[in-house]
Amino acid sequence: RKEVEQDPGPFNVPEGATVAFNCTYSNSASQSFFWYRQDCRKEPKLLMSVYSSGNEDGRFTAQLNRASQYISLLIRDSKLSDSATYLCVVNHNQGGKLIFGQGTELSVKP
Amino acid sequence: AAGVIQSPRHLIKEKRETATLKCYPIPRHDTVYWYQQGPGQDPQFLISFYEKMQSDKGSIPDRFSAQQFSDYHSELNMSSLELGDSALYFCASSPAGRGTDTQYFGPGTRLTVL
Repeated sequence: RKEVEQDPGPFNVPEGATVAFNCTYSNSASQSFFWYRQDCRKEPKLLMSVYSSGNEDGRFTAQLNRASQYISLLIRDSKLSDSATYLCVVNHNQGGKLIFGQGTELSVKP
Repeated sequence: AAGVIQSPRHLIKEKRETATLKCYPIPRHDTVYWYQQGPGQDPQFLISFYEKMQSDKGSIPDRFSAQQFSDYHSELNMSSLELGDSALYFCASSPAGRGTDTQYFGPGTRLTVL
């Protein structure tokens, strides 16, 4: 079993839809949490860090529930350009290695 | 803004050959990480360096070695290449020693072993 597990994809949604990704992590000692976005054959790019208080960046909202060891990402008003693989990522300590989920592929259609 | 630079971007080698991948971190970033991403897989941590010292080691084969130099750039040396080493190799850098752990990834080196 992977340490970080994500919803299996792909998610195929129309433009303008709201889509939610879920992620669970097994190591309660995990310290930092992130969502990265990866386009095909390119490097992962940080989408947002995730905090217990929840955080929002435009159309993107991330939530962390430490008690349930659960992380979520909500994308509102999906755009064609949101099509990518979304990676749930944790690390155990500052400066430590990143541990990736298997990723969830999102395809936004016209 | 300056990003992480990796070279070469593409590399084709034969089995049993050696390869050297280079990574130039973002200026003033003191920590470098190497990740391997096989086809259809998520990135897997290989090794990291902080202030030129190895700080952590993951599932890196003994055939691979790496180091960080005085200018903070890093090199990943791979010997006795196998077909299974074909993958994208990402380098990431972070100003971890300065209290933040966000990692920024380079564009990757695509290694193909024939």
